[in-house]
Amino acid sequence: QEQLQESGPGLVKPPETLSLICLVSGDSISSSSYFWGWVRQPPGKGLEWIGSISDTGTTYYNPSLKSRVTISEDTSKNHFSLNLTSVTAADTAVYYCARHSVVAPLYGMDVWGQGTTVTVSS
Amino acid sequence: QSVLTQPPSASGTPGQRVTISCSGSSSNIGSNTVSWYQQFPGTAPKLLIHSNNQRPSGVPDRFAGSKSGTSASLAISGLQSEDEADYYCAAWDDSLNLVFVFGAGTKVTVL
Repeated sequence: QEQLQESGPGLVKPPETLSLICLVSGDSISSSSYFWGWVRQPPGKGLEWIGSISDTGTTYYNPSLKSRVTISEDTSKNHFSLNLTSVTAADTAVYYCARHSVVAPLYGMDVWGQGTTVTVSS
Repeated sequence: QSVLTQPPSASGTPGQRVTISCSGSSSNIGSNTVSWYQQFPGTAPKLLIHSNNQRPSGVPDRFAGSKSGTSASLAISGLQSEDEADYYCAAWDDSLNLVFVFGAGTKVTVL
């Protein structure tokens, strides 16, 4: 049973860097069938894709966040990470990590972490 | 402003059929598959439909997805009270760089 678990500070001061880790169990992040992604949801708002990383380490980012975002992976620890620099209150959200199946027969984000709330405040 | 356009709300009485639309363009829905996600308050989204019209194991067959051209739809037949949730469509968009886009979400209310 694949599971994803986000971890990281719940409070970040502006304009510091938000750093989260997604630990993957029951699967290998080196699998060619999947991308591994981050999605966030500000309070009372919809889902926003932040970015994803492929098995080869290729990254894809939301253009609106691209200048501040880095997604990386550590295959030895089977986890992937999110770094978001120069945070402001607008980055306050629940942050989810998710497995993104990219090969037939399933195309979609099929496994999600439970989410972690990050508040940006001084 | 989401790239994929959904109505903000939809409603129906128990047993009714509710349809949610998702309108996109040739660079997203028109050339890539659509997935749908169900989200209850305070919980993580759940994959409801993948690959335009496929249900993951465990999803009731009351939920059906379809796609035509640059639009997609999610239909809920035999609406039940436990279907009251937020629903999001999503797709890859390859207009410039490859990005993944969500619709703004539709709140389904069971009257």
